[in-house]
Amino acid sequence: SQQGEEDPQALSIQEGENATMNCSYKTSINNLQWYRQNSGRGLVHLILIRSNEREKHSGRLRVTLDTSKKSSSLLITASRAADTASYFCATDAGTYKYIFGTGTRLKVLA
Amino acid sequence: GAGVSQSPSNKVTEKGKDVELRCDPISGHTALYWYRQSLGQGLEFLIYFQGNSAPDKSGLPSDRFSAERTGGSVSTLTIQRTQQEDSAVYLCASSLVSRQGDGYTFGSGTRLTVV
Repeated sequence: SQQGEEDPQALSIQEGENATMNCSYKTSINNLQWYRQNSGRGLVHLILIRSNEREKHSGRLRVTLDTSKKSSSLLITASRAADTASYFCATDAGTYKYIFGTGTRLKVLA
Repeated sequence: GAGVSQSPSNKVTEKGKDVELRCDPISGHTALYWYRQSLGQGLEFLIYFQGNSAPDKSGLPSDRFSAERTGGSVSTLTIQRTQQEDSAVYLCASSLVSRQGDGYTFGSGTRLTVV
């Protein structure tokens, strides 16, 4: 089944550094989304990028999409301890249904 | 309400018992989704409701799982004859499909433990 796979699985950085997470997927998509999850409970929507977009910004977040490589990246600049969370990409599987990847666990050390 | 509400937040049940999990989506959101997340894993799609259309049940892992959405609002996920492998966090989300850029709004989930 179509699924996003994030890498790395886990990432540990110092506060102030940039964090980059990658997502690869298998089949053509219309949209790709990134979510954050704190403490293993509800997810928070961060950003959606459409297949005809190559880059999108939201505050300290930058998302890129390369449809030829079927990959996306999420960059968090000037990371903070509060950014510690798991980050998931989600790709549309048609009709507004999204399939989530396995996530990247980010730890930002103060 | 202001967000997606799920109840109970935690449920411990004995193997073989039935459980019902409830999701109250954001008012006006036509789409409702159920996902399951096992410890340290990604989200597994279970079922999707959109308006009055037939639900997409393609993710339900077995016939012990069923879900309904009454009146286009509240949804109940029922697991019959629970097994230990059903232990997970069950997440509900809703969305306004005409504003896809807003993404899903998730509830805080129900942590189900089958003992």
